[in-house]
Amino acid sequence: EAGVAQSPRYKIIEKRQSVAFWCNPISGHATLYWYQQILGQGPKLLIQFQNNGVVDDSQLPKDRFSAERLKGVDSTLKIQPAKLEDSAVYLCASSFDTWGEKLFFGSGTQLSVL
Amino acid sequence: KQEVTQIPAALSVPEGENLVLNCSFTDSAIYNLQWFRQDPGKGLTSLLLIQSSQREQTSGRLNASLDKSSGRSTLYIAASQPGDSATYLCAVRQGTQAGTALIFGKGTTLSVSS
Repeated sequence: EAGVAQSPRYKIIEKRQSVAFWCNPISGHATLYWYQQILGQGPKLLIQFQNNGVVDDSQLPKDRFSAERLKGVDSTLKIQPAKLEDSAVYLCASSFDTWGEKLFFGSGTQLSVL
Repeated sequence: KQEVTQIPAALSVPEGENLVLNCSFTDSAIYNLQWFRQDPGKGLTSLLLIQSSQREQTSGRLNASLDKSSGRSTLYIAASQPGDSATYLCAVRQGTQAGTALIFGKGTTLSVSS
């Protein structure tokens, strides 16, 4: 089966610019997650969707980050405006249902903010 | 607040050695614990999932144990191979129900030399 697809693979922007990441989960997976992984750290959950509804966005910096999952399939994560500390790998993951026993991760988007 | 710690941060071993990676967590009220593998520039791959009621799980040369009361888990890799070189991440799902966020440790970077 096809895995979780993410694009772009790499992105370099200057601070205060905006950027968007795209994720297409595994077909049939109801739950979608966006994680932020700063170099040398473990991934941190930014937002979790169940179909097109938000389950958990408690760690999403809502003043600059936004995410949507239209039609309960693919999702976009946006940062506007970007800060230097947003430099990280942004990982998308999906699971079959809310119980999320097994997560499948995409390869991530590596963001560098200069 | 749950904190997940992995020791050591890095490990280098010659091919063929058996090795143990350690993971500790501060709050024993977990739903389950997972071990992931992350290759450079790649996403995460789930290796083993241990439910809170279980003591261990095995997959091939990998064996993960869980001692919830002491807040510890170990990942045992038998007869290590160069292809095992990667970063290994431990993650706990907090609470007594599914659907809560995974909390990750910072990982142990393993290098197996031939």
